[in-house]
Amino acid sequence: EAGVVQSPRYKIIEKKQPVAFWCNPISGHNTLYWYRQNLGQGPELLIRYENEEAVDDSQLPKDRFSAERLKGVDSTLKIQPAELGDSAVYLCASSLDQGVMSSPLHFGNGTRLTVT
Amino acid sequence: GQQLNQSPQSMFIQEGEDVSMNCTSSSIFNTWLWYKQDPGEGPVLLIALYKAGELTSNGRLTAQFGITRKDSFLNISASIPSDVGIYFCAGLSGGSNYKLTFGKGTLLTVNP
Repeated sequence: EAGVVQSPRYKIIEKKQPVAFWCNPISGHNTLYWYRQNLGQGPELLIRYENEEAVDDSQLPKDRFSAERLKGVDSTLKIQPAELGDSAVYLCASSLDQGVMSSPLHFGNGTRLTVT
Repeated sequence: GQQLNQSPQSMFIQEGEDVSMNCTSSSIFNTWLWYKQDPGEGPVLLIALYKAGELTSNGRLTAQFGITRKDSFLNISASIPSDVGIYFCAGLSGGSNYKLTFGKGTLLTVNP
């Protein structure tokens, strides 16, 4: 089966510019996650979707970050405006349902964002 | 929030040697997971542990879920060059918020 697909792989922007990341989860996976991974750290959850509903966005900096999953399949994560501290790898993951015991998370290869 | 202390931060070993790394937490987790991340790729699940005391193997990898539910270890036996990468532990607490908490990772280097 095809894995989680993310694009672009790399993005370099100047601060204060907007940026968007796209994710296509594994077919049939209802749950979609966006994680941020800073250099030398483990991934940290930004937002989790069950189908098209954002069920956990407590870690999403809502002043500048937004996400959507309109049809319950692919998703976009947007930052506007970007700040220097937003430089990180943004990982998308998906699972069959929210219960890890029944379905582990499958990660995409991420988008590496550099804000200059 | 919940934090995982993963150690060691990095390891340099010779091919053929065994490796051990662990994670500890001040909080109880219901599930422990071990992931490996290669450069430029996303983490890949290696082993999942669901019960306190559980010992699970996957090829040359063995992991255990601590009895106190606050720790876990991962062993790699007879290391090979392709074992190089960053290994992350991750803990999952139950309830309605299935939030996976990751450790900071152990960077493994294997010298052939």
